[in-house]
Amino acid sequence: KAGVTQTPRYLIKTRGQQVTLSCSPISGHRSVSWYQQTPGQGLQFLFEYFSETQRNKGNFPGRFSGRQFSNSRSEMNVSTLELGDSALYLCASSGRGGITEAFFGQGTRLTVV
Amino acid sequence: KQEVTQIPAALSVPEGENLVLNCSFTDSAIYNLQWFRQDPGKGLTSLLLIQSSQREQTSGRLNASLDKSSGRSTLYIAASQPGDSATYLCAHHISNFGNEKLTFGTGTRLTIIP
Repeated sequence: KAGVTQTPRYLIKTRGQQVTLSCSPISGHRSVSWYQQTPGQGLQFLFEYFSETQRNKGNFPGRFSGRQFSNSRSEMNVSTLELGDSALYLCASSGRGGITEAFFGQGTRLTVV
Repeated sequence: KQEVTQIPAALSVPEGENLVLNCSFTDSAIYNLQWFRQDPGKGLTSLLLIQSSQREQTSGRLNASLDKSSGRSTLYIAASQPGDSATYLCAHHISNFGNEKLTFGTGTRLTIIP
């Protein structure tokens, strides 16, 4: 059974650019959540999608957005990148959202220069 | 605001020892609690999930317990091995309909000395 797949694994972008990250959940899972991990702030919740609907959003600026497709694959977009957006972005999938076990991908390491 | 604390932040023990990692949370109305390990630069690997109606879960050399009344969970690792070296994170789920997410502790960095 394939795990959670995140692409790309590494990205280097320039301040002001935008970036799109992709996450393919475990087959059959309908919930996809995104987290940002930095040394200073640890793991912080970005948003959660279930059946193409954003159900929950963390405390991040509007530059961070996401969407989910009918096949449950999800993308997150960050516009007007800032140096502080450099982080490991992790995607988690679960069957029914927070009430079941969450499985994480390997993450996308974003570096903003 | 829900807070999750993990103590200690770092721990070094000789190979073969048994050890306990601690996780405490401020809101006892959790739905379940999950333990993960993270290797440097990698994603999170799920170790154990304890649902709110359970007191503990076991997988191989790992045993996790949950005490909602005191707001604590512990992860017990028996007969530690160098391959156990990683950062261990606990996370809880609070499920208010439409508001489901994981809140993570800051982790315990574990080093097993051969």
